[in-house]
Amino acid sequence: GENVEQHPSTLSVQEGDSAVIKCTYSDSASNYFPWYKQELGKRPQLIIDIRSNVGEKKDQRIAVTLNKTAKHFSLHITETQPEDSAVYFCAASTSGTYKYIFGTGTRLKVLA
Amino acid sequence: DTEVTQTPKHLVMGMTNKKSLKCEQHMGHRAMYWYKQKAKKPPELMFVYSYEKLSINESVPSRFSPECPNSSLLNLHLHALQPEDSALYLCASSRQGFTEAFFGQGTRLTVV
Repeated sequence: GENVEQHPSTLSVQEGDSAVIKCTYSDSASNYFPWYKQELGKRPQLIIDIRSNVGEKKDQRIAVTLNKTAKHFSLHITETQPEDSAVYFCAASTSGTYKYIFGTGTRLKVLA
Repeated sequence: DTEVTQTPKHLVMGMTNKKSLKCEQHMGHRAMYWYKQKAKKPPELMFVYSYEKLSINESVPSRFSPECPNSSLLNLHLHALQPEDSALYLCASSRQGFTEAFFGQGTRLTVV
């Protein structure tokens, strides 16, 4: 079945450094890739997404890159801040379906 | 209004009880979802309603019974649950299946 692998499971960085989280998906028909941030005890919230017709997307300190050939996409956070500390989930979805296949999550800790 | 509202926020129920979780959105989204999330795990899809019709049931036990009374409301009826069903239950909605899913704040369910 479809699955999304996510690495690393935990990531600690110093404040101001960059963080990179990587995901690999199995279904080549997947064409929508959102990233969600979930703070402790709160709901998942979309931070950025990308569609398969685009290779890269940026929003201030956050960027996502997509390599369709390798079925691989990554989240890049620059100039990390303590408030970036949370669990980040990648996901993959396919038009015509209503399934979001989530990765296993990355716990990011930004050390002040 | 970009809110998905869930009630109650917390629920403790016995194994013989019947209770319902409620979810409401007024964004005009035609897809609504129930997810179950255990601690330190990604959201796990349970049900999807598309245009008020059940389109996906991820082999969920019959003690969980979803209902979509109209395009804005989604219920999850609970009966004879087990302690292992204790989790955070998240409702979400999206415009289509491969667009941003907005999550509610969840109902933290404890089965005793």
